[in-house]
Amino acid sequence: GAGVSQSPSNKVTEKGKDVELRCDPISGHTALYWYRQSLGQGLEFLIYFQGNSAPDKSGLPSDRFSAERTGGSVSTLTIQRTQQEDSAVYLCASSQSKNIQYFGAGTRLSVL
Amino acid sequence: AQRVTQPEKLLSVFKGAPVELKCNYSYSGSPELFWYVQYSRQRLQLLLRHISRESIKGFTADLNKGETSFHLKKPFAQEEDSAMYYCALGVGTGNQFYFGTGTSLTVIP
Repeated sequence: GAGVSQSPSNKVTEKGKDVELRCDPISGHTALYWYRQSLGQGLEFLIYFQGNSAPDKSGLPSDRFSAERTGGSVSTLTIQRTQQEDSAVYLCASSQSKNIQYFGAGTRLSVL
Repeated sequence: AQRVTQPEKLLSVFKGAPVELKCNYSYSGSPELFWYVQYSRQRLQLLLRHISRESIKGFTADLNKGETSFHLKKPFAQEEDSAMYYCALGVGTGNQFYFGTGTSLTVIP
């Protein structure tokens, strides 16, 4: 693919349900990031994967949030028992060199 | 701790007027600074980075280590510059990034 791909583009769920958000990075990019974009909050770092190293999970807001990156490529962000305050746009980015990040179009999550 | 501050959430300027979007950072090491931009209904994308010392779409930004600033400037704003701008700090060798809260720029015709 030409860029970072995220799915679904929109997700509406009910409070208390689990959701999975997918990110397909640019082929060959070793670094992958998840961010949350909320009105008035800017871009909030969630988690960072670099190659086969242990991920930096320091930005995850609670233990309801988790992420995996299988085979050093596709990543899934899982939110368990969703709450209304989880409503936001979730952005994924990948990077290979020179610290330039390439962003996906995001997944807009709405928790009713 | 690393921190990026963008003090203005909203900024409006008239077309043709100079514009400056402020960014200050806090980092004890050698920083890498970036400006990212998100136009309406488009993806967040890199605008420029300090190590390139380049001008993109008429925008420039100079890293001032003494003032720990990386303000984004353009002498004559255009309507197409209306967008959300994020300042970002890259730290260490591990590609870790910290973004500011963003400034929404509106250029008034």
